[in-house]
Amino acid sequence: GIQVEQSPPDLILQEGANSTLRCNFSDSVNNLQWFHQNPWGQLINLFYIPSGTKQNGRLSATTVATERYSLLYISSSQTTDSGVYFCAVEPWSSGNTPLVFGKGTRLSVIA
Amino acid sequence: DADVTQTPRNRITKTGKRIMLECSQTKGHDRMYWYRQDPGLGLRLIYYSFDVKDINKGEISDGYSVSRQAQAKFSLSLESAIPNQTALYFCATSVGDLTGELFFGEGSRLTVL
Repeated sequence: GIQVEQSPPDLILQEGANSTLRCNFSDSVNNLQWFHQNPWGQLINLFYIPSGTKQNGRLSATTVATERYSLLYISSSQTTDSGVYFCAVEPWSSGNTPLVFGKGTRLSVIA
Repeated sequence: DADVTQTPRNRITKTGKRIMLECSQTKGHDRMYWYRQDPGLGLRLIYYSFDVKDINKGEISDGYSVSRQAQAKFSLSLESAIPNQTALYFCATSVGDLTGELFFGEGSRLTVL
């Protein structure tokens, strides 16, 4: 099956710093999403981004489907950005298939 | 109220007991999923259902069963719980088109002693 690799596995930032999280995938995809899991365990959908670039406040994401990777940018990080960031992909097929998740990047933002 | 509700939120049980985790949603989505999260392993798919009459095994279905009682309800059962089923379980929903944006419940933390 498709492999989803996220890097780095762990990241510690000073408040106000910028960061880039990477997601590589091993095959073509129909769909790619980024999620944030806060320290209380809640999972929130950040972006639906099978290709191109999107921005939402201090967060933006870019997917280059032909090169099989996606990047999540966090600018001017805040302590509330802490948590685990997951990338998930839907493998390409003629019908919809469920998302496959990477193992996540754990981000700690220190005041 | 949450759009995707899971019960119970926390449960401690003993080896060999039968456990049911319930999920209900008010989003009107056709597709529902059960994922399991273990530290360092991300989320792994247990079962999924694309409509009431459709049930599919995921990556790690052994030891689990599901029931889709209605469009809005999808239950996960552990017939005879074992300690390595201790994990955080998430129910999720999505619409039945190519967007496939996934919405999660708040999770059910299960501990099997």
